[in-house]
Amino acid sequence: QSALTQPRSVSGSPGQSVTISCIGTSSDVGAYNYVSWYQQHPGKAPKLLIYDVTKRPPGVPDRFSGSKSGNTASLTISGLQAEDEADYYCSSSAAAYTRVFGTGTEVTVL
Amino acid sequence: EVQLVETGGGLIQPGGSLRLSCVASGFAVSSNYLTWVRQAPGKGLEWLTVIYSAGDSYYADSVKGRFTISRDISKNMVYVEMNSLRVEDTAVYYCARGYIFSHDAFDLWGQGTLVTVSS
Repeated sequence: QSALTQPRSVSGSPGQSVTISCIGTSSDVGAYNYVSWYQQHPGKAPKLLIYDVTKRPPGVPDRFSGSKSGNTASLTISGLQAEDEADYYCSSSAAAYTRVFGTGTEVTVL
Repeated sequence: EVQLVETGGGLIQPGGSLRLSCVASGFAVSSNYLTWVRQAPGKGLEWLTVIYSAGDSYYADSVKGRFTISRDISKNMVYVEMNSLRVEDTAVYYCARGYIFSHDAFDLWGQGTLVTVSS
């Protein structure tokens, strides 16, 4: 159950798009269409942004989108806004009803 | 109000035991799957354990045999019993609710409770 690999940080200017990758294996990301993404602001609990690879819960702006190809999932934030500055984590189902989170990515809005 | 509130954190010596509680409001724990996730200071999220509506539970290898998840439907609470605690178990512990539209996502989180394992 090794953590999924994410870039430590990404940055972009307001209005730009950024993409965060989440690299797993054929035993987790590659095996299940149950990748989710979470946003976490400092000192706060995580917030669900994307579930089942591409779906958004009610209330999540459509600026956030998810995708997956093989063992790699991605989160794209379009039209970056100041309030998007936060940490982002991917998560995937894994074998035997377990889950695994990604290492986390800090998004900075320049 | 729909919410989760964790309690039970604190300072504990290595080798000790602690039970964390999570009370649910606005929904029934019996009808949902719930999980515990932790975050060590300055570190990322780590999934620990889940309990499904049928009562079956699963664990991360890092805590299997030391942590036990359970629930009390009458009190609408979920617990995690933590034994043989180690310094590296120091973290904020969150409980979270499974999203009803997904097999594996968590849409409602508590505020977390801090567990510090130190002598």
